[in-house]
Amino acid sequence: NAGVTQTPKFRVLKTGQSMTLLCAQDMNHEYMYWYRQDPGMGLRLIHYSVGEGTTAKGEVPDGYNVSRLKKQNFLLGLESAAPSQTSVYFCANSRGLSYEQYFGPGTRLTVT
Amino acid sequence: GENVEQHPSTLSVQEGDSAVIKCTYSDSASNYFPWYKQELGKRPQLIIDIRSNVGEKKDQRIAVTLNKTAKHFSLHITETQPEDSAVYFCAASRGFGNEKLTFGTGTRLTIIP
Repeated sequence: NAGVTQTPKFRVLKTGQSMTLLCAQDMNHEYMYWYRQDPGMGLRLIHYSVGEGTTAKGEVPDGYNVSRLKKQNFLLGLESAAPSQTSVYFCANSRGLSYEQYFGPGTRLTVT
Repeated sequence: GENVEQHPSTLSVQEGDSAVIKCTYSDSASNYFPWYKQELGKRPQLIIDIRSNVGEKKDQRIAVTLNKTAKHFSLHITETQPEDSAVYFCAASRGFGNEKLTFGTGTRLTIIP
């Protein structure tokens, strides 16, 4: 079992370009999350989903959009990348609230 | 919303000694408190968690204590080993209706051989 996977692992964008990060799971968990990790700031929640077809805003949602069309996939989109979005992005899932979150390997994004 | 503060930001201890990391939270309705370990270049992984109906939980060399009145919880690592070197994150969640986990800013623990 692959668990939680993320595509791509690395990406460099120019300011204003767009991209989509894909998170896939084979664990059949309902909850999925997107975080960003910046030095000294811990993990901050961008958006999350409590089931197929649902999404909700987290702590830092501006500049990002998400979709959960299928239970196993959670997509994070950047419509117009900015240097402030340079970060490491982690996807995670859990079988329910207040249960262990399983993280993907991360995507390192640099916006120049 | 919930605010989680974590201290210290860095901690160095001699191998074999104990390490303690402390977190405070702001939302008195929070009832789930996990701790995650992140080794360099790796993904965060859960090492222990505690729910608000207990005051302490142990798993081999690690333990977590919770003081609901004071709204703080702590991670204790005893007999530290080189493989304990990592960044540790505390987190808090209030449960159903607010399905978010708020993380602290992390503690970089270094074990000195």
